[in-house]
Amino acid sequence: AQKVTQAQTEISVVEKEDVTLDCVYETRDTTYYLFWYKQPPSGELVFLIRRNSFDEQNEISGRYSWNFQKSTSSFNFTITASQVVDSAVYFCALWTSYDKVIFGPGTSLSVIP
Amino acid sequence: KAGVTQTPRYLIKTRGQQVTLSCSPISGHRSVSWYQQTPGQGLQFLFEYFSETQRNKGNFPGRFSGRQFSNSRSEMNVSTLELGDSALYLCASSFSSTGELFFGEGSRLTVL
Repeated sequence: AQKVTQAQTEISVVEKEDVTLDCVYETRDTTYYLFWYKQPPSGELVFLIRRNSFDEQNEISGRYSWNFQKSTSSFNFTITASQVVDSAVYFCALWTSYDKVIFGPGTSLSVIP
Repeated sequence: KAGVTQTPRYLIKTRGQQVTLSCSPISGHRSVSWYQQTPGQGLQFLFEYFSETQRNKGNFPGRFSGRQFSNSRSEMNVSTLELGDSALYLCASSFSSTGELFFGEGSRLTVL
């Protein structure tokens, strides 16, 4: 079965704090892709990152960083020095050979000024 | 480059009616996927079309259908609407099935 779990339903942090959003996935496929998307209050989902199953390198993009660990089937997302504009719902997603993208339930992040 | 365009943005229907939603993908993208988003169920995959062929389908009843045209534009139709069909319907296009999805702003359907 293919499944994405985001155990944190809602998180609130004070501006400038670091925050990590957890994502755990399940698949028996050896080839798969993992994604993170952001959905701000305006509603439109925005792509943040894609990772394939053979690339376990961590990635950093500005204040964003991603930690991919196949051993724990996790693909966690960290925002450093959070800002109010980071307030959004964040979705982790998985593509497998079943050829469709499955989304986790999302984590709602509120950054308080 | 124009983004994914969905029409209409908002619509209100009554139970038993049918609705057609439209999606114009990013130019050059041949894959179009549809998702239903509700507070209780999150983002649920409806179907994906590639080059006018339905490549994959989610677990939705037959009342939900879709199609894709030769210019990659896609429509989805929901017949015999039920209250539970009230949702934000999101369309996403991509260059390939493993590529990043580019989403439209969605069509918010309210069924009364």
